Amino acid sequence: ELKVEQNPLFLSMQEGKNYTIYCNYSTTSDRLYWYRQDPGKSLESLFVLLSNGAVKQEGRLMASLDTKARLSTLHITAAVHDLSATYFCAVDKSGGATNKLIFGTGTLLAVQP
Amino acid sequence: EPEVTQTPSHQVTQMGQEVILRCVPISNHLYFYWYRQILGQKVEFLVSFYNNEISEKSEIFDDQFSVERPDGSNFTLKIRSTKLEDSAMYFCASRWTSGSSMHYEQYFGPGTRLTVT
Repeated sequence: ELKVEQNPLFLSMQEGKNYTIYCNYSTTSDRLYWYRQDPGKSLESLFVLLSNGAVKQEGRLMASLDTKARLSTLHITAAVHDLSATYFCAVDKSGGATNKLIFGTGTLLAVQP
Repeated sequence: EPEVTQTPSHQVTQMGQEVILRCVPISNHLYFYWYRQILGQKVEFLVSFYNNEISEKSEIFDDQFSVERPDGSNFTLKIRSTKLEDSAMYFCASRWTSGSSMHYEQYFGPGTRLTVT
């Protein structure tokens, strides 16, 4: 059974600081996704990582994928309050045409001024 | 920009009642999904649908649940007899593929908050 774990579950950080969220998954998977969720809102796609060594950056966020270690990281650079949200990683459990997403537990990020 | 839409945004129902949650996937998308998120928890896969049939379902998706694509645009999730534990946010998602090019990214709707009392 594919399991996806994130840590930390909760992250309180000051504006301007850097930090990394980790996402581990238990079995081989083809693709990894990062989503952002604001309270009471839907899931906003941030990154799609398709291969080993993939690195993508958007603004203050950078995501990477190491398929051999079954690890993805989401690095936050010089955090600002607007980044406060819950961040989920999800692994694409491919099987035929399904490609269902298995989500991690989520990391609640609170950026303090 | 095309987006997935869902109605209603909030549904309150009594235990034992039937509810139907509606979704309009992005036009030309071929794969459709329902996920749910109990308050404060992670998002869980319920069911996937392709070519007018269920392609995979989770253990959560028991015989109280059903999905349907009644016309060319809507995709519905029905819960026949709701339980208290069905209270959650339900998200619809869709994905596009064309020929030999696979686009894996799933686009999520805004969700329907279901409250069972």
